[in-house]
Formats: sequence, C-alpha cells, structure tokens
Amino acid sequence: GQNIDQPTEMTATEGAIVQINCTYQTSGFNGLFWYQQHAGEAPTFLSYNVLDGLEEKGRFSSFLSRSKGYSYLLLKELQMKDSASYLCAVRAPGSNYQLIWGAGTKLIIKP
Amino acid sequence: EAGVTQFPSHSVIEKGQTVTLRCDPISGHDNLYWYRRVMGKEIKFLLHFVKESKQDESGMPNNRFLAERTGGTYSTLKVQPAELEDSGVYFCASSQERTSGRETQYFGPGTRLLVL
Repeated sequence: GQNIDQPTEMTATEGAIVQINCTYQTSGFNGLFWYQQHAGEAPTFLSYNVLDGLEEKGRFSSFLSRSKGYSYLLLKELQMKDSASYLCAVRAPGSNYQLIWGAGTKLIIKP
Repeated sequence: EAGVTQFPSHSVIEKGQTVTLRCDPISGHDNLYWYRRVMGKEIKFLLHFVKESKQDESGMPNNRFLAERTGGTYSTLKVQPAELEDSGVYFCASSQERTSGRETQYFGPGTRLLVL
C-alpha cells in the first residue's frame, strides 16, 4: 500500500531551526514535494526533490534519501509567519502524476 | 498572474441535496486536479483532467460525484445526492504540461463543504 508518515505537530522558537521529517512507502517513486499551508488558505509549493541530497532555497532546505524512503524539510531563522502546516507528498510513477499525501505537520512558532 | 480560484469558499447543505463546486485553473494550465481532505485525514486525490479529457478518475469515491471540464478551461465537481461523509475541503490544483517531470501543482484555496 501507500503510506506517508510525518509528525502531527511540532513546536519551535522564533529564530531557531526546525526539521520536519517525512517517511514514505509507496509503490514506486517519482519525486517528493513539500507544501506549506496556512489555515484556511491554499497549499503553496515549497520544494521538490527527485534525486538524493539537499536542495536549498533561502531559509528552507529539503533533503531526500530514496534508499531510506526519507525526506526532511529544514526551516532556519524561524519567523512567526512560518506557523503553518507542512505537507509532504510523493508522486508515484504509473499513477498519472497524482500526489500521495501525508497528513501534514502543524508547526507552532513561539516567541 | 491570477492563481487557481475556487467557488464557493464555503457550502453548507443538507443530506440529499446537490452541490456544485467550481474551479478556475491558472490560465494556460492543461492539467487540472481535484483533491479532497476529510477532517483529520490526509489530502486524497480524486481525479485529473488534461484539457477536457479525464486522464485518471481512480480517486472518485462513487457515482454520486461527477466532474466536468467542458472546453478545457474551468471545471465543476457535482455531488448528487450529498451524504454526511462527503463533508470536507475540496481542493483544485492546476499545472502546466509536463516537460521535465518537475511538474508543480498550484492549489486553490479550497471549498469547505459541510453536509448536515
């Protein structure tokens, strides 16, 4: 079956660093996405990994290990506006590019 | 450039009634997806259009759900008759034609459907 796991909720302090993990077990793999979703708003694209390694984009970085079925999203210099849900999604080949989603990690930033 | 828009933002209906959700994708995006998130659960794929054609509707829960995309522009998702378990947030997403595999889906704000 298809399974994507991520922590339900995390808390971090403004200015700090937080790492949100995602593990997946899917029938095939064709890329992993991270999306950010503020309450009541649309999920917005953050990052895409298809090869092993780290992709850095400003304060956000995403890492992938295909052999371990593992990814993480790293957020640096946390700001209050980073309080949101972070969704991990895998695109599996042969599934016509539909995304398979984790339940999301709610990140709470405290002053 | 306008993003993906969805209408209505909220809908409260009674069991047995009909509701039609609308999605306007980003102009020029051939791919249009419908997803649903039931409270407390993960987002689930419903179906995928390429232009006006249904490419994959494997996620549609049952025949009470009907999606259309006439003319390959906006899409509608009709639920008839609605049941209690249909409550949730319905998201629409669109993307350009795939040229590299790094196809990024852009999401609308969702329609929050509550069936009483």
